[in-house]
Amino acid sequence: QKEVEQNSGPLSVPEGAIASLNCTYSDRGSQSFFWYRQYSGKSPELIMFIYSNGDKEDGRFTAQLNKASQYVSLLIRDSQPSDSATYLCAVIGGATNKLIFGTGTLLAVQP
Amino acid sequence: GAVVSQHPSRVICKSGTSVKIECRSLDFQATTMFWYRQFPKKSLMLMATSNEGSKATYEQGVEKDKFLINHASLTLSTLTVTSAHPEDSSFYICSADRQGSADTQYFGPGTRLTVL
Repeated sequence: QKEVEQNSGPLSVPEGAIASLNCTYSDRGSQSFFWYRQYSGKSPELIMFIYSNGDKEDGRFTAQLNKASQYVSLLIRDSQPSDSATYLCAVIGGATNKLIFGTGTLLAVQP
Repeated sequence: GAVVSQHPSRVICKSGTSVKIECRSLDFQATTMFWYRQFPKKSLMLMATSNEGSKATYEQGVEKDKFLINHASLTLSTLTVTSAHPEDSSFYICSADRQGSADTQYFGPGTRLTVL
């Protein structure tokens, strides 16, 4: 089982819709959870981090964490074509400060 | 902000030569810097973790004699790919762990290495 799993996509949504990106992780001791956006040929850009169960909102983005289910998600409201990118879920495990990345979900927002 | 730079952004070299990549945190001091490699359509793979003034910690399967890491100061880490071969061609990305910011890593723009 991979440590951090994401559906590779592509996830295609129309402009203005809500995009829902999901991630599961295997280390139950994980404490910190991150969402990064990566455009083709560029390095990852931090969008949000979340440490506690529940929702965390920042503008059009909402991260949701459920530690009991070992599940973290990212919702993007009012999706724009400029949101089209690969979204990487990353987790810091219980024992180290290493970021473990999922393989990413490719999001395509259709104009 | 939390800006991390890398230099060069792109390098092409001949097989057998060595290439040095610099990673700098421009507006903060980095407790720790990390080096990742990313192959096309793959996720980031951590190569090594470096702390200022101490030896880097390499991930399993990463040759420390081939990928030399020097973390000279709280704002600079370098990765040298020695005796590069075509299979070393990849996107190399560094990140810096901002001092006092716990787990948040800020990524540099990456270096595209092509070995001919």
